[in-house]
Amino acid sequence: NAGVTQTPKFQVLKTGQSMTLQCAQDMNHNSMYWYRQDPGMGLRLIYYSASEGTTDKGEVPNGYNVSRLNKREFSLRLESAAPSQTSVYFCASSDPDRYEQYFGPGTRLTVT
Amino acid sequence: GEDVEQSLFLSVREGDSSVINCTYTDSSSTYLYWYKQEPGAGLQLLTYIFSNMDMKQDQRLTVLLNKKDKHLSLRIADTQTGDSAIYFCAETGSSASKIIFGSGTRLSIRP
Repeated sequence: NAGVTQTPKFQVLKTGQSMTLQCAQDMNHNSMYWYRQDPGMGLRLIYYSASEGTTDKGEVPNGYNVSRLNKREFSLRLESAAPSQTSVYFCASSDPDRYEQYFGPGTRLTVT
Repeated sequence: GEDVEQSLFLSVREGDSSVINCTYTDSSSTYLYWYKQEPGAGLQLLTYIFSNMDMKQDQRLTVLLNKKDKHLSLRIADTQTGDSAIYFCAETGSSASKIIFGSGTRLSIRP
């Protein structure tokens, strides 16, 4: 039982490049989330998916797209990276009974 | 709107108690949480409390909830160096499918 896994762990992009961050969970959770974490700002929700086939915008969705590929996988895409997207990105999934969120180890992204 | 606020830093001496405070705005929250983030890692749930409870104790951790003042606190007894981390307060907010996080309190331990 791996929990929530994310790839890659680190990535450096040039402005304008695109990339997809991958996330998978093996806990059979319905809901999955993407957050970004910036110093002094805590976690901000980018997008979430309450169930397979649905996605919704969070607090800071601009510049991102998501795909809920199946129940296990939820990917985050940056179509044209900007320096303002330099951050640590966390994926999470949640327990349907207590709404507890389980987090992946994070992807540290730098955009130059 | 929904908001969760906490101070950014706390420094305590090893062996003392640490008290991390949090205020929230959404009175309809069902659950309130404390998460811990160690360096280079994701967040892990430390403990949670139902909104109809006043207190919850779990070994060295005590959570106090004052619903009237919308104030949540986490007390760590006998603070150890392994408790150094960032602690996030969170609430379920108006939608059970979303959790609103505070900005985190960095706890550092002095010898």
